[in-house]
Amino acid sequence: SQQGEEDPQALSIQEGENATMNCSYKTSINNLQWYRQNSGRGLVHLILIRSNEREKHSGRLRVTLDTSKKSSSLLITASRAADTASYFCATADRGSTLGRLYFGRGTQLTVWP
Amino acid sequence: SAVISQKPSRDICQRGTSLTIQCQVDSQVTMMFWYRQQPGQSLTLIATANQGSEATYESGFVIDKFPISRPNLTFSTLTVSNMSPEDSSIYLCSVGQTNEKLFFGSGTQLSVL
Repeated sequence: SQQGEEDPQALSIQEGENATMNCSYKTSINNLQWYRQNSGRGLVHLILIRSNEREKHSGRLRVTLDTSKKSSSLLITASRAADTASYFCATADRGSTLGRLYFGRGTQLTVWP
Repeated sequence: SAVISQKPSRDICQRGTSLTIQCQVDSQVTMMFWYRQQPGQSLTLIATANQGSEATYESGFVIDKFPISRPNLTFSTLTVSNMSPEDSSIYLCSVGQTNEKLFFGSGTQLSVL
């Protein structure tokens, strides 16, 4: 299957709260990435974590990776209404020569002011 | 970074017709991909557009239905042929120099009546 599994499918929180989204995948990977999609728009790259890394930070974003469980999580701290969007994880398979990325099902995050 | 111009942004088409979507990048890129995003769903990779050779299609997608051209390193087209209502989706062009960060066009919203 091309897609990983993400949970929750939808998440609704108040401004200032933290949002955690999870992603599971099936294959051996080179890296895992998180993207954001505002309604009706293209995707924007947020952060990448390589298979030999366990945790990475970028501003209010924190990503973890557990290759033994084939799972990753994205934490957005101190959320804002502007964080409202869909968030997707994407994996690059180890051994792939074409650089293809496969996307998870996504989590729809709604942050209420 | 890469700036991607994708045209048309939306179209409404009749069953049985074909639509060609264009993707123009402001710089030469190594990798170029076409994705489909059905309503409320994640992105599914259709194919990798290869410069100067036939595209590489993912399982479930065939050249007769989704012919792709990539005459150079900055331009590609995807044609959705003999359309049916099941083809109603957002089609996204994606590019990158490596698979560690992809840039996306704003998408083509296709509705087939």
